[in-house]
Amino acid sequence: EAGVAQSPRYKIIEKRQSVAFWCNPISGHATLYWYQQILGQGPKLLIQFQNNGVVDDSQLPKDRFSAERLKGVDSTLKIQPAKLEDSAVYLCASSPSPASGEQYFGPGTRLTVT
Amino acid sequence: KQEVTQIPAALSVPEGENLVLNCSFTDSAIYNLQWFRQDPGKGLTSLLLIQSSQREQTSGRLNASLDKSSGRSTLYIAASQPGDSATYLCAVYGSGNTGKLIFGQGTTLQVKP
Repeated sequence: EAGVAQSPRYKIIEKRQSVAFWCNPISGHATLYWYQQILGQGPKLLIQFQNNGVVDDSQLPKDRFSAERLKGVDSTLKIQPAKLEDSAVYLCASSPSPASGEQYFGPGTRLTVT
Repeated sequence: KQEVTQIPAALSVPEGENLVLNCSFTDSAIYNLQWFRQDPGKGLTSLLLIQSSQREQTSGRLNASLDKSSGRSTLYIAASQPGDSATYLCAVYGSGNTGKLIFGQGTTLQVKP
């Protein structure tokens, strides 16, 4: 079974530029999550999708971050414009359903904003 | 608001030592608790998942316990090896089956040969 795929693995941009990350969850997983992990901290949930609908985006900085999952499979996370404090690893995870009680994580995208 | 704390933040031990990593959470109404391993520059690998009705789970040299009433979980690693060097993260699923994971800040373990 293929795992969660993410791209790119690394990205370096200047502040005020825009960037997009892509995630392909495990086949058949209805629930998709995006987390932000700042160096030295645990991951923090940014947004949770159930199929193509948003379940929780309470911690997503909506003035600069956006995410979509149009067909209920792949997802993209965008930052525009980026700030220095957005430097972090962005992790995507998926699960069969919220009640399944276990999430599977991708390798992450390391973003550096200079 | 659920908060998860892991102690210690970093730990260095000689190879072969048994060790315990600690995790505490403020709201005992959790659904599940999961321990992850994270290697530098990599994603998260699930180690053990403890359901709220369980007291412990074991996998090889790893044993995780859960005490909901006291808001604590421990991860026990037996006979540590240099390959165990990594960051270990504890995360709790809130009640209500929402699937939302709340993480601790992690314990970075170094096992010296």
